[in-house]
Formats: sequence, C-alpha cells, structure tokens
Amino acid sequence: NAGVTQTPKFRILKIGQSMTLQCTQDMNHNYMYWYRQDPGMGLKLIYYSVGAGITDKGEVPNGYNVSRSTTEDFPLRLELAAPSQTSVYFCASLRPGGPRNEQFFGPGTRLTVL
Amino acid sequence: AQSVTQLDSQVPVFEEAPVELRCNYSSSVSVYLFWYVQYPNQGLQLLLKYLSGSTLVKGINGFEAEFNKSQTSFHLRKPSVHISDTAEYFCAVSSGNTPLVFGKGTRLSVIA
Repeated sequence: NAGVTQTPKFRILKIGQSMTLQCTQDMNHNYMYWYRQDPGMGLKLIYYSVGAGITDKGEVPNGYNVSRSTTEDFPLRLELAAPSQTSVYFCASLRPGGPRNEQFFGPGTRLTVL
Repeated sequence: AQSVTQLDSQVPVFEEAPVELRCNYSSSVSVYLFWYVQYPNQGLQLLLKYLSGSTLVKGINGFEAEFNKSQTSFHLRKPSVHISDTAEYFCAVSSGNTPLVFGKGTRLSVIA
C-alpha cells in the first residue's frame, strides 16, 4: 500500500500559467480532500469528493477546479496561477465508517507562483 | 459551523519537561476530535483521536489528550518531551464524515 501519493513535490509557476496537482490513493477510499496550508493559518479545505463523479466546494475554492472520474484519483487544477496561490497543498482520503475514521494525508506539493 | 481554536501559536519547553498544547472547539453537534503532528517539510501524521467512549485518549509517542465536553476542550499532553517532539501540532474537529476543520497550529520547540 502506497497510501496517498502526490505529484509533483515542488513546482514554480509564473503568474497566469496553469497546472494540475495529482493525487492518487490505493486504499479504495470514497472520500478525498484537497487542503492548502499557509504559515500560521493551519489547513483550509479547497474541495472535497465523496465518491467518483461527486465533488463539492470547501472553504477556499476560488481559483481551483477538481474532477473525480475514478475512486483512486482526485486532481486539482489551477487555471490562472496567482501569487496568492503560493502554498503547500495536501491531499487526503478517508474511508467513512472505517475502524479508525482517520484521514490519511499525502506528503504535499509545495507550489510557488512568481 | 464548526471551529477550532489553538490558544498558543508557539510553545517553547525544555527537554524532559511536561507540555500541554491547548485546543478548544465549537460545534452544535457531536464531534470527533483529532490531533495531528507535522514534522518539518513533511505531511500530517495522526497522533490520536477521540470518537466516543473514554474521554482520556492515548496516542503515539507518549502523547495523550482529554476530551472535556463541558469546557469544549481537547488538550494534548506529554509528561516528558524529547528533542524529537519538535514539530507543529494541529487540532481538528469533524462530525462523522464531514471534512476536518483545523486549528491554526501550535509550534512546539523543545530546548536541550
């Protein structure tokens, strides 16, 4: 079990460029989440999904899009990168009702927009 | 809506001393409570969680936390810290399958 994997680990973008942050989990979890972490601000939820084909906005969705075509993958898309999107992005997954009811986190993607 | 307040942004403590990291939550429904640890340049790792039952919860690395419903608190404690405990600690709340709501974090610095 690889758990939750994220690619890339690091990326520098220019203002206005676009990119997709990849997230894959091999635990057959229905629920998946994208968070961003800014210094001193904790983690804020961007988008989440309760299963393939179902996504919903979190607290800070502006400037991002997601899709969930399979149980395993939950990519996060930045269409027009802005300096305010400089952050560390974490993907997580959860199997609701599982014995531990725990969200498993990926290692993160550190994004800088210049 | 749920919210989490971590009362201390930074906590310095000498090695082998006890430590308490404070967490208060707000919710109108029953909650699940979590503490996560983040070591430098790494992801989040679950320390412990409260789902139901005993209000004293023991986690990994010698940490424990106590759920206090009347005070809406879930403080994290360790009787004797090590240098390796230096990290950022996040308290989080959810209601069943709802997404986690995180506090802003407490940076624990253990001083030799």
